[in-house]
Amino acid sequence: GAVVSQHPSRVICKSGTSVKIECRSLDFQATTMFWYRQFPKQSLMLMATSNEGSKATYEQGVEKDKFLINHASLTLSTLTVTSAHPEDSSFYICSATTAGEITGELFFGEGSRLTVL
Amino acid sequence: GENVEQHPSTLSVQEGDSAVIKCTYSDSASNYFPWYKQELGKRPQLIIDIRSNVGEKKDQRIAVTLNKTAKHFSLHITETQPEDSAVYFCAAGLYNFNKFYFGSGTKLNVKP
Repeated sequence: GAVVSQHPSRVICKSGTSVKIECRSLDFQATTMFWYRQFPKQSLMLMATSNEGSKATYEQGVEKDKFLINHASLTLSTLTVTSAHPEDSSFYICSATTAGEITGELFFGEGSRLTVL
Repeated sequence: GENVEQHPSTLSVQEGDSAVIKCTYSDSASNYFPWYKQELGKRPQLIIDIRSNVGEKKDQRIAVTLNKTAKHFSLHITETQPEDSAVYFCAAGLYNFNKFYFGSGTKLNVKP
């Protein structure tokens, strides 16, 4: 099956610094990747849709300047949390879909737990 | 955008019993409704899905029903087993875009 890898799995940073999280599709090309935020005991909140070679589409209420998304290739999307604050601490998870083949199935990364001190 | 509500938030059943999880959605344009299972510390995995042109779909012990008029869909697990214990998420969205909005999740605990 399709494999999506996320890195790092855990990151701790100081308030005010920026953190980059990578999402890679290892064995398929993903024209579209999605970024979610998952709070403890809560659902996957869709943050943005990342399309290769174009600007990301953000969901209502998600700050574009806070959460920078880049999808430079068909196998890599990055989420950068800029000037992180403790309230940005959360579990961030990405998913990807196969290019040219709409199956409806999302393939998720392992997730990245961000802790901002 | 789409708003998906899911109930219950937690569900405990005895092994062998059935479990039902219900979801509602708000956007009548949504035409695809997948269900994902997330075991502790693992990534969500698709377990079953249904498209809007179908009212029911079954895969062994798992079934999903859809009522487009009422905008609700349900997951049914029969003969539950301890390994069914996990968090289950419903989702709704557009099939051809693979963009889905998730429910709040149901933590299912199957007691042996």
